[in-house]
Formats: sequence, C-alpha cells, structure tokens
Amino acid sequence: QQQVKQSPQSLIVQKGGISIINCAYENTAFDYFPWYQQFPGKGPALLIAIRPDVSEKKEGRFTISFNKSAKQFSLHIMDSQPGDSATYFCAAMGGGSNYKLTFGKGTLLTVNP
Amino acid sequence: NAGVTQTPKFQVLKTGQSMTLQCAQDMNHNSMYWYRQDPGMGLRLIYYSASEGTTDKGEVPNGYNVSRLNKREFSLRLESAAPSQTSVYFCAIAPRGVDSPLHFGNGTRLTVT
Repeated sequence: QQQVKQSPQSLIVQKGGISIINCAYENTAFDYFPWYQQFPGKGPALLIAIRPDVSEKKEGRFTISFNKSAKQFSLHIMDSQPGDSATYFCAAMGGGSNYKLTFGKGTLLTVNP
Repeated sequence: NAGVTQTPKFQVLKTGQSMTLQCAQDMNHNSMYWYRQDPGMGLRLIYYSASEGTTDKGEVPNGYNVSRLNKREFSLRLESAAPSQTSVYFCAIAPRGVDSPLHFGNGTRLTVT
C-alpha cells in the first residue's frame, strides 16, 4: 500500500518557469510533511517542510501548499533555474510512526536554460 | 554529507556472498535508519534504530540484518546477497523528539551479479 503518491514522475521546465510537484497521502495521522532534494551521487537533503496547521509555507523560491481536507500537498518552485535540476521527494511522518518517514517515489525535474 | 559517513561507497558482490555496510555519525543523534533507493521506487525503509540498543523492521527488511553497535554506528548486513538487492543504500540520522529532518549520508552503491 503506497501511503504517499507523488506526481509527475518527471518534469521539464524552462528557465524562469514554475515547477509544480504534487503529493497525496492516505494516513490522516501524518502530521509532518517534508520535501527532499537529491542531486546525482548525493543523499537526499531537506528542502522545506510543513505541518498541517498552516496552509502554506514559503522559503525563498520554494513554497509548500497544503490542503488538509483533500490530503494533498505540493511543492512550487518559482523562477526555476538549471541548478534546481534534481530529483525531488515528498514525504510524510506521524501518527506514532516512531519518526519514520514514508517517501513518495520521486520526481525528476529538469530545468532547461 | 557532513555528519554521516557511509562505507564503502561502491561494492560489487556475487550472488550468495555476504557483506556489511557501515554507517557512522558524529552528530550525536538518537535515531538511525537504513533506506534503499531503486529507480521509480523512491526510498524504502529497511530497518531503523530509534535509540541505542533498539532496532526495528521497516518496510522491506527481508534479507537484511542490522546492528546498532553504539550511539554512533549502525551497520546493515547482507548474509547471502541476491541480485534483487542491487540498489543504492542510504543511512540517515535524526534527533528524537523534534520535527526531524532526516540527515542522509551519500550512499553505498551495491551491485549483486
């Protein structure tokens, strides 16, 4: 059972455009939703995270939008740059999961110059 | 990634061989995790250790064993490697009791022929 569904699997955006990656979850006990960024040959690194008591969180060009009733959250990358080209993972944790993160399957983002 | 050291970086095994993947941290975090990453599958939890002296199964534990040697070290052992265990293995750490951004190492790329 896949508890966090991520889409699209891959995404190509032009420089300066907006990249949008979507995730949906099933477990209503989840209460922490991070996004990770991974470059080739490296481990994933935390990008931005949100808790369900807010509907949006912004850090620089990166914004998480959260819809608790729909059990969905998304990552928006404004003014996308070639350096943003990476794989992005959404994740979720909570509900007595003993601090275990459940990850989506990832989105390969390519930003063309 | 500073703080989490994984060894070796690369390994090739023949079917049936055994090996141990090592993970050491210098951030004094309580929780340690082993994930595997496969194309199109995201990151899947193999085993985790919420604190020194405890270990628990994750989503895909079959074929693996772990040892939390002390607070710093968490090893993953393949007793009889199979081609299905060809993957990139990531160790991650997290402080217990806070919104926990998992901090990942740079991975071990394992090929089983």
